[in-house]
Amino acid sequence: DAGVIQSPRHEVTEMGQEVTLRCKPISGHNSLFWYRQTMMRGLELLIYFNNNVPIDDSGMPEDRFSAKMPNASFSTLKIQPSEPRDSAVYFCASSLVLTGELFFGEGSRLTVL
Amino acid sequence: AQSVTQLGSHVSVSEGALVLLRCNYSSSVPPYLFWYVQYPNQGLQLLLKYTTGATLVKGINGFEAEFKKSETSFHLTKPSAHMSDAAEYFCAVSAYSGAGSYQLTFGKGTKLSVIP
Repeated sequence: DAGVIQSPRHEVTEMGQEVTLRCKPISGHNSLFWYRQTMMRGLELLIYFNNNVPIDDSGMPEDRFSAKMPNASFSTLKIQPSEPRDSAVYFCASSLVLTGELFFGEGSRLTVL
Repeated sequence: AQSVTQLGSHVSVSEGALVLLRCNYSSSVPPYLFWYVQYPNQGLQLLLKYTTGATLVKGINGFEAEFKKSETSFHLTKPSAHMSDAAEYFCAVSAYSGAGSYQLTFGKGTKLSVIP
């Protein structure tokens, strides 16, 4: 079975540009999570969805960040405009139930110059 | 609110020695507890989890952890370290926070090095 699929795996962009990260969760999973990982702050939960509905977005750093889940098989995380401090690895994870095991994608490494 | 503390951001052990990675949590409600492992340039994958029942939980690759409610701990152990165990390990706690919402909180991680 395919796992969580994220794209792109690597993105290098210049400050001010729009960045869109994509995620396809495991089929049948009804919870989806976006995390950011940096050396300084570790693993941070940005937002999570249950049945395509955003449940908790308190971790989204600021209005430059937005996330959508238009259907059960696709989600996007958008940063507009991007800044150098947004450089990090962004992980998408999905789960069958909120309390269950999270299945992580391989991450999208973002570098903002 | 809940939190997870992992003691030691870096741990080094010799190959064949005992691995002990410490995790303490705080939660106002009964928690679910997890250990995840992250190999370089990969996402996290589940090692083991505690939900209810037996407090000693066995996971993949010979790892196990014991839930101790009185100590609010969930330490990860492996009797004999292997070179392939070198990775970063994350403890996580999940608890119901009301209104149909759960919070999953990760610790900051412990990087395990295995010395030949």
